[in-house]
Amino acid sequence: SAVISQKPSRDICQRGTSLTIQCQVDSQVTMMFWYRQQPGQSLTLIATANQGSEATYESGFVIDKFPISRPNLTFSTLTVSNMSPEDSSIYLCSVDGGGDVYEQYFGPGTRLTVT
Amino acid sequence: AQKITQTQPGMFVQEKEAVTLDCTYDTSDQSYGLFWYKQPSSGEMIFLIYQGSYDEQNATEGRYSLNFQKARKSANLVISASQLGDSAMYFCAMRPPRGNQAGTALIFGKGTTLSVSS
Repeated sequence: SAVISQKPSRDICQRGTSLTIQCQVDSQVTMMFWYRQQPGQSLTLIATANQGSEATYESGFVIDKFPISRPNLTFSTLTVSNMSPEDSSIYLCSVDGGGDVYEQYFGPGTRLTVT
Repeated sequence: AQKITQTQPGMFVQEKEAVTLDCTYDTSDQSYGLFWYKQPSSGEMIFLIYQGSYDEQNATEGRYSLNFQKARKSANLVISASQLGDSAMYFCAMRPPRGNQAGTALIFGKGTTLSVSS
């Protein structure tokens, strides 16, 4: 299994500022995923982060707004840039167990409020 | 395109009763995985149960069972003997084939809020 930690667990930020969320996995993984969950909504995939290459963004999400770094096989960061109240969400990182492991592991999430 | 549909925005059940949460999916893939997650108000995603598309038996994990009807493309979650702590949001999700990738993201339904009363 994989244990994932995220920092910060929550934050309240002013509009126009940026926040960087960290995701640490206790084992090496090739792919890491970042999801956004707006209040009362489902999880939406923001991007897939593959170590050693640029992240792949889903429709509606752009690198300028959500830059992602993936410096090694156990760590990734997601930055929410130039924030507006619409960015208030829970942000979750996730990894796929891979191979014969079916489970998908999630971090505890970062609860962001933009005022 | 793959899609997960959960048609019940909210469900209400009494303690100790069983409840079924509906999930249908759409995919043209032959190989896929189906998941159920529980999300309490804390926001964490708690894995409940998994069903592979080639699994012939319905998955069970303690009080949770998955009623998998492949021809109907449904994967309903059954919670037996509901407890107050089961009150949460429940998400059905699907993972497409991993293919040559080392990992694949999940596609989620809109979720069902379950409320258990005493």
